[in-house]
Amino acid sequence: GENVEQHPSTLSVQEGDSAVIKCTYSDSASNYFPWYKQELGKRPQLIIDIRSNVGEKKDQRIAVTLNKTAKHFSLHITETQPEDSAVYFCAAKSGAGSYQLTFGKGTKLSVIP
Amino acid sequence: EAEVAQSPRYKITEKSQAVAFWCDPISGHATLYWYRQILGQGPELLVQFQDESVVDDSQLPKDRFSAERLKGVDSTLKIQPAELGDSAMYLCASSFRRGQELTGELFFGEGSRLTVL
Repeated sequence: GENVEQHPSTLSVQEGDSAVIKCTYSDSASNYFPWYKQELGKRPQLIIDIRSNVGEKKDQRIAVTLNKTAKHFSLHITETQPEDSAVYFCAAKSGAGSYQLTFGKGTKLSVIP
Repeated sequence: EAEVAQSPRYKITEKSQAVAFWCDPISGHATLYWYRQILGQGPELLVQFQDESVVDDSQLPKDRFSAERLKGVDSTLKIQPAELGDSAMYLCASSFRRGQELTGELFFGEGSRLTVL
């Protein structure tokens, strides 16, 4: 099955700086890579996703890049704000014909005012 | 805005007792998932339903866990008997799927936090 590795496990940045979270996946057939944000005590919510036919996608201050050859994808947050503080999970869709996500272990991002 | 509903939000039980969690997905969502999230880790899939049928339960500890979605709408996840290692957040999620078309997003419920003493 699919295996998703996520780094770092914790990340602290100063407000206004950029944050980068990286993930690798094992199944070369995976073709969908979402990122979820989970605030303390709340449900995970989708913040951005990318499909394997695209190399980069941007939505305001967040962007995701995908390198299919190396089987890794990254989340970039620019101009970080305190409300960006949360746990971020990457995921990869595994299983041809099956819509099933395998999640990374998460990155706890702290934005210091 | 439609949301996935789960209950109870919190459950404390003693080991060897039975527990049950309920999930009501967003109306029209054919695919329903139960994930387990241990503190500090990512969600791990336990079981996936497409309508009333189980698509994947390969990670479900079937000696003590069971899940059903009898009418293809709401779902129940049961643990009997509960063990100390079952303490975790149990997340239900749903997604819309029509035929083979994938629409992307999983919508999660608030989760049911289980503590086994």
